[in-house]
Amino acid sequence: DTEVTQTPKHLVMGMTNKKSLKCEQHMGHRAMYWYKQKAKKPPELMFVYSYEKLSINESVPSRFSPECPNSSLLNLHLHALQPEDSALYLCASSRGQGTYEQYFGPGTRLTVT
Amino acid sequence: GDSVTQMEGPVTLSEEAFLTINCTYTATGYPSLFWYVQYPGEGLQLLLKATKADDKGSNKGFEATYRKETTSFHLEKGSVQVSDSAVYFCALKTTDSWGKLQFGAGTQVVVTP
Repeated sequence: DTEVTQTPKHLVMGMTNKKSLKCEQHMGHRAMYWYKQKAKKPPELMFVYSYEKLSINESVPSRFSPECPNSSLLNLHLHALQPEDSALYLCASSRGQGTYEQYFGPGTRLTVT
Repeated sequence: GDSVTQMEGPVTLSEEAFLTINCTYTATGYPSLFWYVQYPGEGLQLLLKATKADDKGSNKGFEATYRKETTSFHLEKGSVQVSDSAVYFCALKTTDSWGKLQFGAGTQVVVTP
């Protein structure tokens, strides 16, 4: 099973709201990732967790706050977003941070109004 | 730095035509190479991979061979179907990249009946 699940599938939020995106995998992977994808562009890396610790933060604004409660779960907390943050947010996982392949979830389509 | 260059799309084909999407790369380490496919409104799916020179990855009728001498990883399929209409991303990871996937810009493929 190579499934990564993400909830919700769609999210509409105002600029003053607080919401969270959730990601889950049960493949025993120890690296998990958040990406942001704008239309007709490749995904852009936001964060990497390795063994439940934040390994990479690609200079993401603080209105995005990641959390890895355990080895299977990854959250992305959203607060005071801007309309330009509207995008598809993808979660991925891999066996480790090396050259292993990454498996992606279906994404959360976020619209900020 | 590492980079991936893909042919620009959209590529429009008739059903049962032969598909080739060119991908070349530059990398400072020893990369693993991947092709991902993204169907409309979905996340990325790993299509195939190759981890060392002369490896051939294959899946669902698609093939790509890791050519170190030409730094290429071209994707081919002998007979496309309408259901192959999607965006295809070539990507690499190196042992120096701390788990970062370097994506190409993506190539949209449109297959008409």
